[in-house]
Amino acid sequence: RKEVEQDPGPFNVPEGATVAFNCTYSNSASQSFFWYRQDCRKEPKLLMSVYSSGNEDGRFTAQLNRASQYISLLIRDSKLSDSATYLCVVNKNSGGYQKVTFGIGTKLQVIP
Amino acid sequence: DGGITQSPKYLFRKEGQNVTLSCEQNLNHDAMYWYRQDPGQGLRLIYYSQIVNDFQKGDIAEGYSVSREKKESFPLTVTSAQKNPTAFYLCASSWAGSTQYFGPGTRLLVL
Repeated sequence: RKEVEQDPGPFNVPEGATVAFNCTYSNSASQSFFWYRQDCRKEPKLLMSVYSSGNEDGRFTAQLNRASQYISLLIRDSKLSDSATYLCVVNKNSGGYQKVTFGIGTKLQVIP
Repeated sequence: DGGITQSPKYLFRKEGQNVTLSCEQNLNHDAMYWYRQDPGQGLRLIYYSQIVNDFQKGDIAEGYSVSREKKESFPLTVTSAQKNPTAFYLCASSWAGSTQYFGPGTRLLVL
């Protein structure tokens, strides 16, 4: 089983729709969680951290479920500019080093 | 402007040739990382360094080498032993245990 699993998509959604992505992780000792956004042929950029209590940044909401070992990202009122690949990232402290594991990413295409 | 720079943007390698990818950061980050990204795969860690003059192998270090002589710089050499080097190479940096920030990447192509 992969350490971090994501549905690669693509998710094709109309403008204005709400879309949600999930990401599961296998190591229960994982400590911190993030969503990154990666545009085509560009570097990943931090979108938001994910907290157990859930956190929101404008149209984006991230949730963590430690019991079921998954994190989610909800995008409301999708914009064309939201089209990108969304990477799930899981950190675990391993011998004083933060071991970072990236998912393969979920591709989102918002269509007019 | 603070940030991470990588050069060149595109690099071509001939058979049997070693090439070096540059990564510089002025964020005063302690830790630096090199990743490789292939289509349909997540980022895979090649090497990382938590302090100057120290670095550790990641998951796919074979065929690569690094140095960390300065805090700001973490160059990656792709040696001739790396048989499938064509990929998008990403450098990242962070404060210890904190969020990673990425450079713009270098695309390596084999002639």
